[in-house]
Amino acid sequence: SAVISQKPSRDICQRGTSLTIQCQVDSQVTMMFWYRQQPGQSLTLIATANQGSEATYESGFVIDKFPISRPNLTFSTLTVSNLSPEDSSIYLCSVLEAGGYNEQFFGPGTRLTVL
Amino acid sequence: QKEVEQNSGPLSVPEGAIASLNCTYSDRGSQSFFWYRQYSGKSPELIMFIYSNGDKEDGRFTAQLNKASQYVSLLIRDSQPSDSATYLCAVGSNFGNEKLTFGTGTRLTIIP
Repeated sequence: SAVISQKPSRDICQRGTSLTIQCQVDSQVTMMFWYRQQPGQSLTLIATANQGSEATYESGFVIDKFPISRPNLTFSTLTVSNLSPEDSSIYLCSVLEAGGYNEQFFGPGTRLTVL
Repeated sequence: QKEVEQNSGPLSVPEGAIASLNCTYSDRGSQSFFWYRQYSGKSPELIMFIYSNGDKEDGRFTAQLNKASQYVSLLIRDSQPSDSATYLCAVGSNFGNEKLTFGTGTRLTIIP
């Protein structure tokens, strides 16, 4: 499977600031997704990152709060804007490789703490 | 709204025994089913996937799917302490281009 990296692995941010998370894959993939996992909870899909066009957001998530870019088939960024303590969470990118069915593989995650 | 239900546990199983993890889903059109293992502080790792009714075996793991009952399970034979983790069930509707819906996960503890 593809090797997925995320940067930063963790960060502590002040309320009101923003954090941009990068997701890099070592091969071209068909789809990239961004998830949030709050403490002790399961994964919630934030959006599908579309190459060359606007991301597709899930209910409850909006572009102003979670702007996403995907300039090519191997890279995407998620920005969490106007941070509040409720945004403290793990953010994960996942990829769906060409030729597969629906298997998604996850990056190592970014642990965000907002003070 | 698509739902995936799992018993949150914790499920405690003696070492060497069979661990049985269960998952039900609401969307009858679901076509792909996945089990992920997540160790504390780590990201989910795909361990099994199944698309057809019946059993699929991979080493100590067996996934079972019953679409009529909207039920999927994961059996872990000869359980090891290293199997202690949270197991997430995920369900997809279409092949190749569909997002997954995750259950809340079952925490499994293997007792030495």
